[in-house]
Amino acid sequence: DAKTTQPTSMDCAEGRAANLPCNHSTISGNEYVYWYRQIHSQGPQYIIHGLKNNETNEMASLIITEDRKSSTLILPHATLRDTAVYYCIVRAFYGGATNKLIFGTGTLLAVQP
Amino acid sequence: NAGVTQTPKFQVLKTGQSMTLQCAQDMNHNSMYWYRQDPGMGLRLIYYSASEGTTDKGEVPNGYNVSRLNKREFSLRLESAAPSQTSVYFCASTSSGGPDTQYFGPGTRLTVL
Repeated sequence: DAKTTQPTSMDCAEGRAANLPCNHSTISGNEYVYWYRQIHSQGPQYIIHGLKNNETNEMASLIITEDRKSSTLILPHATLRDTAVYYCIVRAFYGGATNKLIFGTGTLLAVQP
Repeated sequence: NAGVTQTPKFQVLKTGQSMTLQCAQDMNHNSMYWYRQDPGMGLRLIYYSASEGTTDKGEVPNGYNVSRLNKREFSLRLESAAPSQTSVYFCASTSSGGPDTQYFGPGTRLTVL
C-alpha cells in the first residue's frame, strides 16, 4: 500500500472550513484514499473515501487531484467536536479478502473557539 | 445494533499473567481485526481474520494469539504479559466485498506492571 504524508498538526477557527492535506505520490491505480479520525481515547471513525472523483457526504468532502498524488479533506464548518487526529490512508481494494488499514501518525486538528 | 463491543474497558496485569480480550460485532461482518495503539502513535495491526475459521498475522503479532470463535466474536489472548504490551487495544470489523469501511470498538486500555 502507498505511503502517505500529512502535517503533524493544524489549527482551525470554529465555524470555518478545515482543509487537511495529504500527499500520496506513490499511489497506484487501484488504490483508494480513505480518511478516518480518532477523537481522544475513542476508536477511529470512518469519514469518507474516494478513488478518482471528488466525494461528499454528511461529514466532509474529499478533493483528489487529477494525478491522484494528493488529496484534501474538507470539514466545511468545523466545530469543537471535530478536534481529533485525522488519518489519511491509501489502500487497494483486494476484492473482499484482507482489508487491512495501515495507519500513520495523522494530523492533529485543533479547532479553536 | 451495538456495533463493535469490547471487554474489558480497562485492565491491569502483572508481568507474566495471561488474559483474553473479547470482541464482538453484530453487523454480520466477515472480517475482524485487532490493533494496538501506543501513546502518540498510529494503530498497528496485530492479527486479523478475513472470515470465520481463518486468522492471519499482522504487523506486530509476537506475544499474542487469536481465536475467531464464530462470525461474531474474535478474541485476543496474551499468554504471558510483558510491560511492552501496555497499550490501548482496538477491535474492528468490516464486511467483505467492495471498498468498504472498518468499524472500531471503544478500545481496551491495558497496563502491564
